[in-house]
Amino acid sequence: QVQLQESGPGLVKPSQTLSLTCTVSGGSISSGSYYWSWIRQPAGKGLEWIGRIYTSGSTNYNPSLKSRVTISVDTSKNQFSLKLSSVTAADTAVYYCARDAMVRGASLYYYYMDVWGKGTTVTVSS
Amino acid sequence: EIVLTQSPGTLSLSPGERATLSCRASQSVSSSYLAWYQQKPGQAPRLLIYGASSRATGIPDRFSGSGSGTDFTLTISRLEPEDFAVYYCQQYGSSAYTFGQGTKLEIK
Repeated sequence: QVQLQESGPGLVKPSQTLSLTCTVSGGSISSGSYYWSWIRQPAGKGLEWIGRIYTSGSTNYNPSLKSRVTISVDTSKNQFSLKLSSVTAADTAVYYCARDAMVRGASLYYYYMDVWGKGTTVTVSS
Repeated sequence: EIVLTQSPGTLSLSPGERATLSCRASQSVSSSYLAWYQQKPGQAPRLLIYGASSRATGIPDRFSGSGSGTDFTLTISRLEPEDFAVYYCQQYGSSAYTFGQGTKLEIK
């Protein structure tokens, strides 16, 4: 079955750019009606959706982060990536990647995240 | 942006009891866009319910979802020891997702 694995530096300096990659295994990133999302979770707090990408390159971002976020996809490597610029301590969190399903029902579309990576911790500190 | 408010913040129950978790939206949400997740310490969230009431693959039938409009409910009919965790509701709208702040289900 499809599995996702996040990778990237665990420590980023303030004002720099956080860069993470999610590698998809067990299936093609281009198959099916899936977006690919990034979500983060500060320690002891709730989940925050960062943004998502379709394999066509179409993206949607959380309005609160949009000015600092870029999500890209590399279908040849079966990967998608996150860049978050001008980071501060508030960006310290566990970052998850997830498969974002868009499923057509009888007369409606369903949206949900059905496969998640295990998460990677990113600390912003000098 | 649609804000999801979950209640209670913490729910203390015993195994075998029934759990009822609430998720209220600041404006109407399409039922097909409402999902529930379970998260245990140190683990990624797991999809439980999508479309407000459809169980995800492999989810036991003691988990059920209901609701429409602005009020949604996750019910666990008989709590098992492995059900004690944090639960999040999530909605999709205007090409973006938002999550509720979570309900912690703890052993009484």
